[in-house]
Amino acid sequence: GAVVSQHPSWVICKSGTSVKIECRSLDFQATTMFWYRQFPKQSLMLMATSNEGSKATYEQGVEKDKFLINHASLTLSTLTVTSAHPEDSSFYICSAREVLDQPQHFGDGTRLSIL
Amino acid sequence: KQEVTQIPAALSVPEGENLVLNCSFTDSAIYNLQWFRQDPGKGLTSLLLIQSSQREQTSGRLNASLDKSSGRSTLYIAASQPGDSATYLCAVPSGNTPLVFGKGTRLSVIA
Repeated sequence: GAVVSQHPSWVICKSGTSVKIECRSLDFQATTMFWYRQFPKQSLMLMATSNEGSKATYEQGVEKDKFLINHASLTLSTLTVTSAHPEDSSFYICSAREVLDQPQHFGDGTRLSIL
Repeated sequence: KQEVTQIPAALSVPEGENLVLNCSFTDSAIYNLQWFRQDPGKGLTSLLLIQSSQREQTSGRLNASLDKSSGRSTLYIAASQPGDSATYLCAVPSGNTPLVFGKGTRLSVIA
């Protein structure tokens, strides 16, 4: 089945650091990729949607200047958390979809801890 | 805006019991509905995908039904095992939107 690879799986870094998370679709071309965030014991909340070659669409309340998303190819999207602070500590999960009516496939998530 | 509700929020059952998890959604214009499993601190495992034209899907001890017109889905787990303990998430896309998730049902199966 379709596989989405997310890297790294764990990141621990100091406050003020920028952190990049990669999401790759391994065996299909992901026209659209999604980034979700999950706080402890909460459900997944969509942060942004990106279509290959276009600017990402951010959900209300998500700072586009803080969470930079790049979807430069059909197999790779990156999320960069700029100047991360402790409140950005969370579980970030990417998802990819080939075409509109196909299911979304999920990466294994990245646990980000900002000290 | 699509909203997904899952009931109950938590469930604890003895091993061997059959159980039903419920999911409801407000916008019935969906392509499909997915059930996922999430273990603590882990990513999502896709369990079942029901297309909007289908009424149910089965995989092993799992059976998911979909009543699109009433905005409801159920996940039936037969003969539950301690290894089934996890959070079960229901999610639907609608229109051009990505998956919208419910808050999940935390299941504990006690040996």
